[in-house]
Amino acid sequence: AQSVAQPEDQVNVAEGNPLTVKCTYSVSGNPYLFWYVQYPNRGLQFLLKYITGDNLVKGSYGFEAEFNKSQTSFHLKKPSALVSDSALYFCAVRPTGDSNYQLIWGAGTKLIIKP
Amino acid sequence: DAGVTQSPTHLIKTRGQHVTLRCSPISGHKSVSWYQQVLGQGPQFIFQYYEKEERGRGNFPDRFSARQFPNYSSELNVNALLLGDSALYLCASRTTGTWSSYEQYFGPGTRLTVT
Repeated sequence: AQSVAQPEDQVNVAEGNPLTVKCTYSVSGNPYLFWYVQYPNRGLQFLLKYITGDNLVKGSYGFEAEFNKSQTSFHLKKPSALVSDSALYFCAVRPTGDSNYQLIWGAGTKLIIKP
Repeated sequence: DAGVTQSPTHLIKTRGQHVTLRCSPISGHKSVSWYQQVLGQGPQFIFQYYEKEERGRGNFPDRFSARQFPNYSSELNVNALLLGDSALYLCASRTTGTWSSYEQYFGPGTRLTVT
């Protein structure tokens, strides 16, 4: 079965430190990869995507993600965390050949940035 | 520009009842998808509609149905509600035909509570 794993339920980082939120996937072919963020009582906001090309993609709010095909990973990173980055982060994958644009989602990682 | 809008914001229903949730996509977006997000989990794909036709369906029972109108707005209907249907229902829209069509834009969701 196709799946997306976010191995950490919660990540704690001090403000100003670099952060990483991990994502691995088990999907056939060359999927499209996405990161979304969800703030309390709000919908999901698109952060960035990898479709093809450079393995390091840059997105909104200073976030970036590194695609590693051999490790089937797509980790979210930011060089210097802000308290306002505290939120719930979701990794999502669209399998190749899925014309329905169905996204398979991870369970989410709660990111807490401490002042 | 207005984002994806959903109504109502919150809803409380009793087991066995029927519910209709509504979604208006971003202007110019012709594709709408519905997701169910249970507390503590990632979203689960329910339906995708494009040009008023169902283009994809997730693993949900026939109690769940949807439709898309000529103005591209959409309704999600759930019959014979069960306690397990309590969740945040998210609507997402996207444009089509370009690279940017791979990302979906989400509404704030409708919180459904079944008692």
